[in-house]
This record gives sequence, C-alpha cells and structure tokens, in this order.
Amino acid sequence: GAVVSQHPSWVICKSGTSVKIECRSLDFQATTMFWYRQFPKQSLMLMATSNEGSKATYEQGVEKDKFLINHASLTLSTLTVTSAHPEDSSFYICSASDVGGNTGELFFGEGSRLTVL
Amino acid sequence: AQSVTQPDIHITVSEGASLELRCNYSYGATPYLFWYVQSPGQGLQLLLKYFSGDTLVQGIKGFEAEFKRSQSSFNLRKPSVHWSDAAEYFCAVGDKRYSTLTFGKGTMLLVSP
Repeated sequence: GAVVSQHPSWVICKSGTSVKIECRSLDFQATTMFWYRQFPKQSLMLMATSNEGSKATYEQGVEKDKFLINHASLTLSTLTVTSAHPEDSSFYICSASDVGGNTGELFFGEGSRLTVL
Repeated sequence: AQSVTQPDIHITVSEGASLELRCNYSYGATPYLFWYVQSPGQGLQLLLKYFSGDTLVQGIKGFEAEFKRSQSSFNLRKPSVHWSDAAEYFCAVGDKRYSTLTFGKGTMLLVSP
C-alpha cells in the first residue's frame, strides 16, 4: 500500500529555535497533504491542509506565521515550527491521499514528536 | 458540522474475549466512516472504512464494523482479542473521499492475560 514517511521521528530543540518536519509520499503523488497535531491522550486535531503549489489552508486558531507549511512538490510537504516554545511540544502527524489510486484512503505518516525545552 | 463521539475512554478486555468499541457520529448526509489504530508513539493505521454498500465492513487483523444509520453508529468489533491488539483506536468521519477527517477522542484498549 501507499506509504507516507515523516522525518524526523523525534526532535528536541531549545525554546526560540525553529524546527522543520518533512512529510513525504513515497510511492504516490499527493496534491494535498494534511497536518494534524495530537496532544497527549487526545485526538488528532487538523492544523492545516497543504496544497501543492499554493498556500496552505489553516484551521481556525492555528497561527500560520508560527506553523509554516510548504508543499513544493507532489511528494513533499514541510511543516516548520518557528520560534518554538514549550507549549508547541506535541506529536505532529501528516497524511496524504492517494487520489490516483482511487481508494479514498488517507495514509498517515509515523508522526514526529517535538519536545521544546 | 460533523462530529464523532467515542464514549469509552478506556476498555479492558481479557485475551480471547470479544470486543466492541463504540462510535457515534453526527453528520447530515451519508458519511464516510473510518477506524484507525495507533500504537504508542506511532502513526495511524487504517483498520477499515465504510463508504457505501454493505453495512458490515471487514477490515484487517480480524476487525469488522457495522454502519447503522438509524443509530448513527459505526461500532468496531472483534470476536477474539489478542494481546497485540492493545492500542488506541480512533473512529473518524469525512464528508467525501479525499476530505479531511474529524476524529473521535479515541478509546484505549487494554488486554489482560
């Protein structure tokens, strides 16, 4: 089946620094990718929809200047957490849809755990 | 707006016993329904999905779910639970095939020996 890969799996950074998380579709092209955030013992909350070649669409309450999303190619979307603070510590998960495969299935990455000290 | 309710935060089942995880959704039209499983520190794996047709859906790892429109439910079942099934299970609803999903808060399944 289709595979979505995230990198890094774990990242620890100092407060005030920026961190980039990559989401790649390994064997299919994804015109749209989705970024979710998951707090401990909570559900996934959609942060933004990333569209290849255009600006991302952010959910209400998500700061677009803090969470920069770039979808420069059909297989790669990046999420950059700028000027990270401890409250940004979370599990970030991306997903992509294999539209060409016509399965209607969203494939999820393994997630990236961010810890801001 | 669509929403998903998973009323059970935790469930403990003995190994070999049957399992049913509850999921209720709120959506005006015919929903696209999903069950995902998440092991600790891992991403989500799709167990099964319902788009249309037969309301009893078979998934991977011996799981099945039944869509009941009258009850707005999509409960997940497994006849005999294995210790490796211990994980968190999320029910999700979407309004079309390639749309974003709204997730429930999850049910943590614990399997006792």
